[in-house]
Amino acid sequence: GAVVSQHPSWVICKSGTSVKIECRSLDFQATTMFWYRQFPKQSLMLMATSNEGSKATYEQGVEKDKFLINHASLTLSTLTVTSAHPEDSSFYICSAAGTSGPHPSTDTQYFGPGTRLTVL
Amino acid sequence: RKEVEQDPGPFNVPEGATVAFNCTYSNSASQSFFWYRQDCRKEPKLLMSVYSSGNEDGRFTAQLNRASQYISLLIRDSKLSDSATYLCVVNRGGSYIPTFGRGTSLIVHP
Repeated sequence: GAVVSQHPSWVICKSGTSVKIECRSLDFQATTMFWYRQFPKQSLMLMATSNEGSKATYEQGVEKDKFLINHASLTLSTLTVTSAHPEDSSFYICSAAGTSGPHPSTDTQYFGPGTRLTVL
Repeated sequence: RKEVEQDPGPFNVPEGATVAFNCTYSNSASQSFFWYRQDCRKEPKLLMSVYSSGNEDGRFTAQLNRASQYISLLIRDSKLSDSATYLCVVNRGGSYIPTFGRGTSLIVHP
């Protein structure tokens, strides 16, 4: 299947710092990228949808000023958790969907391996 | 009613058993449906798409019932390695924005 990478895979930071997570589609052009958060034993919660070159669309209840999303190219999207607090500790996962490359489908998402964020 | 609902389980089955999960959705305009598998502390991986005509891939069969607004996943001849959480994904009607179910936990034991 299509390959999506995420970096870093885990991060531990102090409260108040900002953390940037990168999501890359390695073998296809991702016209759309999704960012999710998953707390233990809970389902994935969609945070925002981003299309290349335009502003992200945030789900209700997600603070856009706290979770900054940039989708500057067809292969890279970043999520920055600004002024992180312990309650932001979670598993952050990105996914990508695209219309080019070996898997042209805007419907089908391919997930990155996730980033485990722990805020002390 | 939640947009996408799944029985969280867990379903405990012996190796070789056949097990089926259902997932109901509320938006009748939804057009795209998927089953993903998620292992503990890992990202979801696409298992299969669900088409109107049904979809079969080896031991896995997915069905869509639009009239009753549910999709199903049937696993035959369960293997120990099938133990995981199975996530139902339904794209919102008229869009590609996905909604995930909470997942159904499957435990296959020897």
